Amino acid sequence: EIVLTQSPGTLFLSPGERATLSCRASQSVSSNYLAWYQHKPGQAPRLLIYGASNRATGIPDRFSGSGSGTDFTLTVSRLGPEDSGVYYCQQYGDSPPTFGPGTKVDIK
Amino acid sequence: QVQLVQSRAEVKKPGASVKVSCKTYGYTFTNYVIHWVRQAPGQGLEWMGWINAGNGGTKFSRNFQGRVTLTRDTSATTAYMEVRSLRSEDTAVYYCARGPNFGVAIFDYWGQGTLVTVSS
Repeated sequence: EIVLTQSPGTLFLSPGERATLSCRASQSVSSNYLAWYQHKPGQAPRLLIYGASNRATGIPDRFSGSGSGTDFTLTVSRLGPEDSGVYYCQQYGDSPPTFGPGTKVDIK
Repeated sequence: QVQLVQSRAEVKKPGASVKVSCKTYGYTFTNYVIHWVRQAPGQGLEWMGWINAGNGGTKFSRNFQGRVTLTRDTSATTAYMEVRSLRSEDTAVYYCARGPNFGVAIFDYWGQGTLVTVSS
């Protein structure tokens, strides 16, 4: 199965700053089938990006995804307090679908 | 709007079974699949399997094949996941999530999660 690694483990940022999150796959992700989710404690995870760069319904354009093959990036510009949480990447190009370990974003 | 509402937390003894429900609202239930994903304490997200809500077909991760049953009730627009022979390592939050029915495991709406605690 494809193993995903994410970096950094934790990001400490201030409101208004930009967050850049990385996701690396152990092998090429077929058709760039890579998604990003935001997860806040006690809430359901939320789909942000699919197909590496397509925003899901209702996701503001502050969130953008890029990359291909084995290296992918989620960028969150103009951070607000509501953007705190853990961000997971997930590949669905190969079975089973697998998730990265997550990057925690702490907005101070 | 689309909502997935899961059953409440459960506490089970080792060797027992647990059945978690996922009631859906706001879309045509049979046009999608329902996936199940779990997160053990301090661990990442792990995909368990899916059920096609239209035809009842299922697919499982190798880690759960044979110990997990997925079912659905189309009249109640509800999916169910049953785990048998529970062990302490099954303590986790279990999520249901909606996905398209054309074979790609994207999870566009999720339930709130159900905590299952396995303890003697």
